[in-house]
This record gives sequence, structure tokens and C-alpha cells, in this order.
Amino acid sequence: AQKITQTQPGMFVQEKEAVTLDCTYDTSDPSYGLFWYKQPSSGEMIFLIYQGSYDQQNATEGRYSLNFQKARKSANLVISASQLGDSAMYFCAMSLMNTGFQKLVFGTGTRLLVSP
Amino acid sequence: SQTIHQWPATLVQPVGSPLSLECTVEGTSNPNLYWYRQAAGRGLQLLFYSVGIGQISSEVPQNLSASRPQDRQFILSSKKLLLSDSGFYLCAWTSWNTGELFFGEGSRLTVL
Repeated sequence: AQKITQTQPGMFVQEKEAVTLDCTYDTSDPSYGLFWYKQPSSGEMIFLIYQGSYDQQNATEGRYSLNFQKARKSANLVISASQLGDSAMYFCAMSLMNTGFQKLVFGTGTRLLVSP
Repeated sequence: SQTIHQWPATLVQPVGSPLSLECTVEGTSNPNLYWYRQAAGRGLQLLFYSVGIGQISSEVPQNLSASRPQDRQFILSSKKLLLSDSGFYLCAWTSWNTGELFFGEGSRLTVL
């Protein structure tokens, strides 16, 4: 079974500072993908970044980077130079690659508030 | 390019009334389709997924059902809504290349 744990219900950061959102996962399957999504107050789900379990390097997408520590089963999202528009809910998710379809399991989310 | 739409965006229904939420995908064929529910302030819970026409898998026992009458159409239904069915419902499809899930705009259901 897959499980995603996000232990931070809320995080605060000042504009232009960096922030790390924690995510740990649990699976016995060696082939999986890890995702981060952003959900603004409008409700839409916005894909941010993806990390495959066999990827050697940490994924980066602009100001977003994923700190992937496979042995610790963690996939923390790092947002550099926070902006006011980064205030939103952030969800970590995981899917297993060997099932023939992609079933994404989500964590409970972390609410990020960026202050001026 | 691929697009996904779901409707209605907002719905207020009395307890015991029926429900139908519709989702359509354009620009791709034979997608995997999903219905997720998000309770207020909570994460996303996978309700149903479909790998093809008429093929529906349910993840949790519940008062809802899903159907896929056409390749790119996914419908979420209920015969009699419960208060606990209130929430934000999201339809999504999968990109085979990246595993990324693309979401619709969401449907906010309030059962009174």
C-alpha cells in the first residue's frame, strides 16, 4: 500500500525567504513517482514538480526543487525566494509505476502563508 | 493540446436528491480518468478510476457511483445524496509519459 505523510498543517514564511515543505512516503515498491501540487484558494490543482524513484538527481523547476532522500523516504519541496502568490495549499503525492495505470495517492497537505 | 472540463462548478442539493457531475477530456484518447473528493481543509481522496469505457474501479465504499459511457467522458452520480457527500470534487486524467495528473476545475457540492 502507498502512504503519503505531510506533518506540517501550516507554514509561514516571509516574502523572498526560502521554505521547505516536508513529505515522507511509504511503499515497498521500487518504482514510483513523487509529485507536488499547489492548490490556491480558487481550488484548481496546479502541478509543480515530479521526481521518479530512479532519478539520480533532484528535480528542479524554476523556484521549486525537490529534495529527494530515497533512503529516508522523504521528498521535501523547497520553494526559493517566496512570493505572495505562493500562498496556497501544497500537496505531496505518489504513484506506483508498475500497475499499468497511474493511481496518485495524496497527503493531507500543508497550507503555506507568505507574508510581506 | 489536451483539456479537461467538469461541470457544474457549484451545486447545492438537498439531502436525498440525485447527483450527476460530468467530466470530459479533449485532445487525447483512451486516458485514465479519476474522480477525487476533497473535504473542507483536507487532502484528496481517490473515489473512482477508469482505464477504459465501461471499466470502473471503486476505491472506497460510498454512496456514489461512476460511469464512463464514452472514451473521454466520466460521470459521477448518486441516487440519494447524504450530508457527508458535501465536498470539492475533482476530475482528472493521466499523462502516460510523465505520470502527471491533470485536473479539471472542480465542482463544489453542498448538501443541505
